[in-house]
Order: sequence, then C-alpha cells, then structure tokens
Amino acid sequence: AQRVTQPEKLLSVFKGAPVELKCNYSYSGSPELFWYVQYSRQRLQLLLRHISRESIKGFTADLNKGETSFHLKKPFAQEEDSAMYYCALSGERGSNYKLTFGKGTLLTVNP
Amino acid sequence: DTGVSQNPRHKITKRGQNVTFRCDPISEHNRLYWYRQTLGQGPEFLTYFQNEAQLEKSRLLSDRFSAERPKGSFSTLEIQRTEQGDSAMYLCASSETTGITYNEQFFGPGTRLTVL
Repeated sequence: AQRVTQPEKLLSVFKGAPVELKCNYSYSGSPELFWYVQYSRQRLQLLLRHISRESIKGFTADLNKGETSFHLKKPFAQEEDSAMYYCALSGERGSNYKLTFGKGTLLTVNP
Repeated sequence: DTGVSQNPRHKITKRGQNVTFRCDPISEHNRLYWYRQTLGQGPEFLTYFQNEAQLEKSRLLSDRFSAERPKGSFSTLEIQRTEQGDSAMYLCASSETTGITYNEQFFGPGTRLTVL
C-alpha cells in the first residue's frame, strides 16, 4: 500500500528564515512525488514535482530513495509562503492517475 | 475556460437524504478524479474516469456512492441515504493524458457537504 507521512501539522517560522517541510513515503515501486499547496481561500494547486527538478517560488525538493523522503525546502521564507502544503505520491510513470496525499503541514511565516 | 468548476459549493442536508454534486473539468481533459477531504486530513482518492469509463473505485466508495461521466465531459457524484460521516469536502480534479509523463491534476474549488 502506498502511504505519505507529513510529521508536522504546524510549522511556524520568521520571515527570512530557512524552512523545511518534511515528507516521507512508502511505496514498493518507483513513485512520482509532488508538493501541492493551498493558499487561503484558493484551490489546491501543484507546486512542484520531483521529475522536473525545478525551483518554484524559491522552493526545491529532492527525492531521496534511500530515506524514502521528499522534503520541501526554501532558504529564505516569505510571508506569502504561508499556506497549507501537501506532499503527494502517484504510481509508476505511465500509471499516472490517483494521488495519495499526506495530511498536510500548515506553514505560517511571521513578519 | 476558468478551470475546473464544481456545483454546488456548499450543501447542507439531513441524514438520510440523497445529494448530487457536479464537476465540470477543463474542456480538453479526458481524465477526471474525485477525492474526499475530511477535517485535518489530506484529500483521499475516491474514483477516476478516463473519458466516460470509470476505471477505478476506492474502498472508500461504499454502495451508497455512485459516480457517472455519461458523455466524457461533466461528472456527477451521488450519495444516497447520507450519514453524518459523509460530511466532508468533495474535490474534483481533471488532467490530460499525453504519453507517459505525469499530467498535472487541476483541482476544483470543492463542494462542502454537511450532514445534520
């Protein structure tokens, strides 16, 4: 069974501080990993995916297969980063359908 | 086309009543997904369609739940004999199908169901 664990429900940092949102997964094959974000009163949207290896809004995430982790990092947090962040997993490339989400981490960036 | 739309946005019903939700995906997307999100949890997969074919249903989708996508465009999710445990946000998402690369799922705003 596939599972995603986000150990922190809440994370609070000050503006300009580094931030790391943790995500661990359980999956027997080669999953696709994603971070989704939901800003206040907005719909859920894709932030980044591991296969693209890109930085979005200053966030990066590296897939560590040995530790089965996909932590989201940003060196200098901004107030506009305050949101709910969900780590999600999908099956092998090509299966391409259902997402399994973690419970989410609410990030608050204080001024 | 302003993205995935869902109606109604809110629904309050009494236990035992039937409810139906509608999802209109992005027009060129042939995959459509339903998820359910309860308080403090991430979205949980319910079912998905490729065009009009329903290809997978989660164990979460009891006999009281039925979903359709009759012409491969909009979809409906019906809950019969609602229970208080059905209270949740019901999310719809759609995506394209192109090759083997991941196709981003675009989410709607959700329908919040409250069963009294």
